[in-house]
Amino acid sequence: DAGVIQSPRHEVTEMGQEVTLRCKPISGHNSLFWYRQTMMRGLELLIYFNNNVPIDDSGMPEDRFSAKMPNASFSTLKIQPSEPRDSAVYFCASSLDRGQPQHFGDGTRLSIL
Amino acid sequence: AQSVTQPDIHITVSEGASLELRCNYSYGATPYLFWYVQSPGQGLQLLLKYFSGDTLVQGIKGFEAEFKRSQSSFNLRKPSVHWSDAAEYFCAVGAFAGKSTFGDGTTLTVKP
Repeated sequence: DAGVIQSPRHEVTEMGQEVTLRCKPISGHNSLFWYRQTMMRGLELLIYFNNNVPIDDSGMPEDRFSAKMPNASFSTLKIQPSEPRDSAVYFCASSLDRGQPQHFGDGTRLSIL
Repeated sequence: AQSVTQPDIHITVSEGASLELRCNYSYGATPYLFWYVQSPGQGLQLLLKYFSGDTLVQGIKGFEAEFKRSQSSFNLRKPSVHWSDAAEYFCAVGAFAGKSTFGDGTTLTVKP
């Protein structure tokens, strides 16, 4: 069974550009999570969805960040405009339900120049 | 609010030695508890979980953890560490209807 699939694996872009990160959760999983990981701040939960509905977006740092889940098999995290301090590894994870163990993708390493 | 503390940022052990990684949590009810491992360049992988029942849980790769309610702890153990165990380890606390909160992680270095 395929795991959580994230794309792209690496993204390098200039500040001010729009960045879109994509995630395909495991089929049948009802919850989806977006995390950001940096050396300085560790692993931060940005937002999570349950049954395609955003439940908690309190971790989204600014209005420049937005996330959508149009259906059960796809989610996007968008940064517009991007800034150098957004450079990090972004992980998507999914789980059967909110409290269940999470399955992580391999992440997107984002570098904003 | 739930929280997790991993007191050790970095631990070094010799290959073949035993390992214990500490985790303390704060949660108002019976928690769901997890240990994850992250190898460089990869996402987190679940090692083991505790929901209820037997307080000693077995996981993958020879790891085990013990839930101690009186100490609010869920320490991870392995009797004999292998070089391939070098990674970062995260403890997490959650609940049935809520998100998980992760600790800051413990980096494990294994000496030959």
